[in-house]
Formats: sequence, C-alpha cells, structure tokens
Amino acid sequence: AQSVTQLDSHVSVSEGTPVLLRCNYSSSYSPSLFWYVQHPNKGLQLLLKYTSAATLVKGINGFEAEFKKSETSFHLTKPSAHMSDAAEYFCVVSDRDDKIIFGKGTRLHILP
Amino acid sequence: DTAVSQTPKYLVTQMGNDKSIKCEQNLGHDTMYWYKQDSKKFLKIMFSYNNKELIINETVPNRFSPKSPDKAHLNLHINSLELGDSAVYFCASSQEPSTEAFFGQGTRLTVV
Repeated sequence: AQSVTQLDSHVSVSEGTPVLLRCNYSSSYSPSLFWYVQHPNKGLQLLLKYTSAATLVKGINGFEAEFKKSETSFHLTKPSAHMSDAAEYFCVVSDRDDKIIFGKGTRLHILP
Repeated sequence: DTAVSQTPKYLVTQMGNDKSIKCEQNLGHDTMYWYKQDSKKFLKIMFSYNNKELIINETVPNRFSPKSPDKAHLNLHINSLELGDSAVYFCASSQEPSTEAFFGQGTRLTVV
C-alpha cells in the first residue's frame, strides 16, 4: 500500500531564507511523485514531478525536489523564499495501481 | 482559455437537495478526477474516469454519482445533500492515470 507523509503541517521562514518542506512516501513499486501548490482560494498547480528520470527535479518558481530512494523522501526546497510563496503545498504519490494519494499539506508562511 | 473549468464556483444549498457540479477540460486528456477538500485542507480522491470508464471509486456515499458523457466532461451529482458534504470539490484531468494532473479552480459547496 502506498502512503505519503508531510512531516510539518506549518513551516515559517523569513523572506530571502531557504525553504524546506519535507515529504516521505511509501510505495510497493517505483512511484511517481509530485508537488502541488495551492494559493488561498485557488486551485492546485503543479510545481514539479518525479517519474524515474533524474533524481533532482527542477520545477517552477525556483523550487526543486530530490528523490532519495534510500530515505523514501521527496523533500521540496527553494534557496530563497519570496512573499508570494506563501501557500499550501501538497506532496502526492502515485504508482502502478493508479492510486493517487495526497499528503495532508504543509502551510508555508513567509515572514517579512 | 481555461484548461479545466468547473461550474458553479460557489454553491449554497439546503440539506436534502440534489445538486450537480459540472467539469469540462479542453486539454484532450483521457483521465478525469473528482477530489474533495475538507475544512482542514485535506484532499482525497473520490472518483477517476479514464476514457469515460470508472477506474477509481473510493469509499464515498452512493449519494455521489459521477457521470461522464464524453472524455471532456465529468460531472458530479449529489443526492440528498448533508451538512457534512460541505467542502471544496476539485475536478482535475491528466493524459493518463497517475500522470500530472491539471486542476480546476474548485467549487465551494456549502450545505445549510
């Protein structure tokens, strides 16, 4: 059975400092992994995806994530936070059974 | 042009009513989904259709019935609405199951 755990429900960082949003997964097969962002009262937007190609995945808005099979992790990072990054972030896993599981989300707060 | 569009954006209705939410995608995707996002922002897949056929049907009350007249549309009909049905419902589509999904803006359903 697959699952995804976002380790922090809230993360606060100061503007201009690095962002780290943590995600761990479990999957019976080689999973596909995604990060989505949801701004207040908006739909979800894909930030980046991992589908068994390069383990370091670059996404939009300066975000990237590294797939680490040994740690079953897919943490999302950004070198320097902007105020516009304040949003809810979801880690998502899917595998051969076409099951799609969302993490519970991490609310990112950016402090001025 | 909006890739995935859902209507209405807001829906307020009384308990016991029957309502429908429509979803259309113009991306030529084969797979469409309905997700429910509760008040704690937790997203859970409800249904998935691939080429008009149901492929995922999570444990939801049978008061919820998806209908896919063609590949570009997946409507959600809800009978006998209950207070607990209040949530934001998201439609999404992807080229194949388990690939990146494109989301609609959501429909905020409030049952009073």
